Amino acid sequence: QVELQQSGPGLVKPSQTLSLTCAISGDSVSSNSAAWNWIRQSPSRGLEWLGRTYYRSKWYNDYAVSVKSRITINPDTSKNHFSLQLNSVTPEDTAVYYCVREDSYFDYWGQGTLVTVSS
Amino acid sequence: QAVLTQPSSLSASPGASASLTCTLRSGINVGTYTIYWYQQKPGSPPQYLLRYRSDSDKLQGSGVPSRFSGSKDASANAGILLISGLQSEDEADYYCMIWHSSASVFGGGTKLTVL
Repeated sequence: QVELQQSGPGLVKPSQTLSLTCAISGDSVSSNSAAWNWIRQSPSRGLEWLGRTYYRSKWYNDYAVSVKSRITINPDTSKNHFSLQLNSVTPEDTAVYYCVREDSYFDYWGQGTLVTVSS
Repeated sequence: QAVLTQPSSLSASPGASASLTCTLRSGINVGTYTIYWYQQKPGSPPQYLLRYRSDSDKLQGSGVPSRFSGSKDASANAGILLISGLQSEDEADYYCMIWHSSASVFGGGTKLTVL
């Protein structure tokens, strides 16, 4: 059974960096069949895919065009987790953030972290 | 114009069928895409229901009843989620999704009310 456990602050100041981590159990971040995604959800923007990291003999990343200039998703094989960094946040980045495994489809989701961007 | 457009709400009676549409933006041909469908209930993340590309290329989620099925309407350039024999537990938000240019794109969701 795969479990994803998210951690990170729930409050970030405008212009600062949002950082979240997703710890994986029951699978490996280096899996050759899975990809590791971040998806957020807010009333104003709905469900929004942010990006993913995956290993297929080497590491790859895909990012949404809307955040491409501000986002980094990194795997950490020593800790079997992956992280999200979103720079220069604004109140529009306020949302529930989910880490999600993708193996043919989005099958396992983290518990969600409400991140509020406010001074 | 959004890549995927879904009606914001739909109501149907218990025992009836509900057809949820997901219309692709003009210029994006539904025939070349796999449409994914997710169900979300309050307080929980979305859950995978099924994906549909064609009758020979589809995948039902584990434990998802067969009364949930997918199809396409090429004339409307849309993917369709059909729910037959509606039950009160089917009341939820439903999202369609595609992979478009190596990025996942979600529709705005349809709130299904069963009353």
